[in-house]
Amino acid sequence: NAGVTQTPKFRILKIGQSMTLQCTQDMNHNYMYWYRQDPGMGLKLIYYSVGAGITDKGEVPNGYNVSRSTTEDFPLRLELAAPSQTSVYFCASSYLARDTQYFGPGTRLTVL
Amino acid sequence: AQKITQTQPGMFVQEKEAVTLDCTYDTSDQSYGLFWYKQPSSGEMIFLIYQGSYDEQNATEGRYSLNFQKARKSANLVISASQLGDSAMYFCAMRPQGAQKLVFGQGTRLTINP
Repeated sequence: NAGVTQTPKFRILKIGQSMTLQCTQDMNHNYMYWYRQDPGMGLKLIYYSVGAGITDKGEVPNGYNVSRSTTEDFPLRLELAAPSQTSVYFCASSYLARDTQYFGPGTRLTVL
Repeated sequence: AQKITQTQPGMFVQEKEAVTLDCTYDTSDQSYGLFWYKQPSSGEMIFLIYQGSYDEQNATEGRYSLNFQKARKSANLVISASQLGDSAMYFCAMRPQGAQKLVFGQGTRLTINP
């Protein structure tokens, strides 16, 4: 049982480039989430999904897109990367909305 | 809007001592959940303990306990018999009623001295 896995662990992008952060969970959880953590701060919700085919915006969705074609996978797409998107990105999952969210190891992204 | 406040940016504690990390929250919801997560220097977020707003007993998980005072809107984490491996950032978080997101505080950096 791997839990929540994220790839890559680290990435450096140039301004204007695009990339996809991958997230996979093997716990058959319905709910999946993307958060970002800026230096010295707590986490803020970018997008979440309540099941395959259903996604919705969180607090800070601008500059990102998501899709959820399967229960297991919830990729986060960055289009036209900007320095303000330099952050650590965490994927999380839970079985139900009221359940504990379990986090992946994070992706540290730097945009130069 | 819901808010979590952690007033201690950093704490230094001697090994084997007990430590209390403060967390206060602001909400008008009747039903909500409170969580504590640990973030070691390696960066991952590790779930520690959960308290539901309707739970009458304080939550406990091994050396962790949550001192829940609903009227004061506080949910302090107590770590008994601290260990060197407890050195990390600790985040208090709240799940508002009916919401999918967690609202996080800014964290407290705990350092355990030998």
